[in-house]
Amino acid sequence: GAGVSQSPSNKVTEKGKDVELRCDPISGHTALYWYRQSLGQGLEFLIYFQGNSAPDKSGLPSDRFSAERTGGSVSTLTIQRTQQEDSAVYLCASSRGSSGNTIYFGEGSWLTVV
Amino acid sequence: EDQVTQSPEALRLQEGESSSLNCSYTVSGLRGLFWYRQDPGKGPEFLFTLYSAGEEKEKERLKATLTKKESFLHITAPKPEDSATYLCAVHGNQFYFGTGTSLTVIP
Repeated sequence: GAGVSQSPSNKVTEKGKDVELRCDPISGHTALYWYRQSLGQGLEFLIYFQGNSAPDKSGLPSDRFSAERTGGSVSTLTIQRTQQEDSAVYLCASSRGSSGNTIYFGEGSWLTVV
Repeated sequence: EDQVTQSPEALRLQEGESSSLNCSYTVSGLRGLFWYRQDPGKGPEFLFTLYSAGEEKEKERLKATLTKKESFLHITAPKPEDSATYLCAVHGNQFYFGTGTSLTVIP
């Protein structure tokens, strides 16, 4: 597609429920990133996929967070047993490759845990 | 340790008052330095990529420059619509983002 597409754009969920956030990267981009941004804060790296390589999961804050990327394209970020501190905007980005290529962001999925 | 520091945290300018935002970095093996603009409720919007010291890029009222230790985003004669948060990122082993400079341009 023309840009990085994320869904849903907004999600309100009850504490303890599981949520799935979807990212459709720019066509042809092999690298995909997930970041989290809490209100008024900077971007927090979560996970990085590059082609068929094992993902870099070093930024995932707990084992309640997981992500997968099917067929080298669409990615899903799953948060299990959501907590109020998970409330944030989750940003997905993609790039052509891993070395010095510009990463382009989607508009984010705003998650509110009540 | 790789890191990115942006200053100032916040900047208020009168319309037409030129200024510069700073991005200082330490990274092993710089593969690129990136500037983004982020409006409230939106994802970061790509502005510039710089790869080597001495490189400069321009777009409308914005000009980005790069040295071996820092990058500047120069804003010439800003307008209220330039109000946003400006993010700097460096690509070393990973992408490292600064916490941004919140720019407000007052009419």
